[in-house]
Amino acid sequence: AQTVTQSQPEMSVQEAETVTLSCTYDTSESDYYLFWYKQPPSRQMILVIRQEAYKQQNATENRFSVNFQKAAKSFSLKISDSQLGDAAMYFCAYRSPGGYQKVTFGIGTKLQVIP
Amino acid sequence: DAGVIQSPRHEVTEMGQEVTLRCKPISGHNSLFWYRQTMMRGLELLIYFNNNVPIDDSGMPEDRFSAKMPNASFSTLKIQPSEPRDSAVYFCASSLGQGAGKAFFGQGTRLTVV
Repeated sequence: AQTVTQSQPEMSVQEAETVTLSCTYDTSESDYYLFWYKQPPSRQMILVIRQEAYKQQNATENRFSVNFQKAAKSFSLKISDSQLGDAAMYFCAYRSPGGYQKVTFGIGTKLQVIP
Repeated sequence: DAGVIQSPRHEVTEMGQEVTLRCKPISGHNSLFWYRQTMMRGLELLIYFNNNVPIDDSGMPEDRFSAKMPNASFSTLKIQPSEPRDSAVYFCASSLGQGAGKAFFGQGTRLTVV
């Protein structure tokens, strides 16, 4: 079974600075999808970024980018120019490809943005 | 679109009572997921529907939990009887196709069983 590990329960970053959230996963599959979700205080889970394992290029969405290291099974999220609205819980998630597959979520990292 | 709509936002009930959580998915989405979130276990998938049919209910904790999707625009998650350990935030999510990773989540229902 796949597992997703987020080893940082909490992180903090100064406004306008850059922060990196860590995620590692365990799988025997060669193709899969990885995701980062944001959960602000409103509780709604919002998809931030998505990476397909067969793509070598790291995904980027505006100020959000990932460092995908397939051999190391690492999938970190970098937030540049942090804003107060970035404060939230961030969840890393894994999904196998093809048809219906369960998404496995990490336990989450709470990000605090300091003004 | 209003997004995935869940009701109620908060529910407090006494142990032993029946609890019904409701979800209206995004119009046109044919996949619906119920998740439970707790501090200890994180986010867990309870059940997945595709085209109103339950496809995977392996995450449903026990017989006290049941879920229905009578039509494409409505789903319920029922707990009967409820227990204090059921206290959690319950999320409903929907997607087009079976891509659970690209699902849109509702704002959740915070359930407290006392």
